[in-house]
Amino acid sequence: AQSVTQLGSHVSVSEGALVLLRCNYSSSVPPYLFWYVQYPNQGLQLLLKYTSAATLVKGINGFEAEFKKSETSFHLTKPSAHMSDAAEYFCAVKEGNAGNMLTFGGGTRLMVKP
Amino acid sequence: EAEVAQSPRYKITEKSQAVAFWCDPISGHATLYWYRQILGQGPELLVQFQDESVVDDSQLPKDRFSAERLKGVDSTLKIQPAELGDSAMYLCASSLRTSTDTQYFGPGTRLTVL
Repeated sequence: AQSVTQLGSHVSVSEGALVLLRCNYSSSVPPYLFWYVQYPNQGLQLLLKYTSAATLVKGINGFEAEFKKSETSFHLTKPSAHMSDAAEYFCAVKEGNAGNMLTFGGGTRLMVKP
Repeated sequence: EAEVAQSPRYKITEKSQAVAFWCDPISGHATLYWYRQILGQGPELLVQFQDESVVDDSQLPKDRFSAERLKGVDSTLKIQPAELGDSAMYLCASSLRTSTDTQYFGPGTRLTVL
């Protein structure tokens, strides 16, 4: 069975500082990995996804994530935080040989201080 | 840009009443998903359709929840009777067809049961 753990339910950074949101997964087969962002009272928007091509994945809004198989991690980073990045971020995993079922982590709320 | 549509956006009801949510996926998307997101948690899959057929409803509380996608296009999720613990965001998502396709989410329906 697949699962996702997001370390830190809340992360606070200053505007212009590095953003690092952590995600670790467990999967019995090579996974597909995703990061979604959710703004208040809205649905989820895809930031980026890993599907077994390049291990460093670039997404929208300057975000990127690196797949590290040895660490079973898929951490999300952005070099310089912007006030508009304040939102809830969800990491999700899908096993490659299963259906299309996504398993989500508990989410990390990112707060950006001026 | 095509989007997943959901209505209503907000619904307040009293316990024991019936509620229904509607979802219209992106045109041409064969796979449709209903998720429930409790406040402060990640979404959890309730039911997955492939065209008009249910692929996975293992997490759907079938004593009170039902879902249909009669013509393989739009879908309705019903709760009867609603309970206090059903208060949550109900998200609909769709994807093209294959297991590698990205899921696109609608804005959700926020349900409050009093």
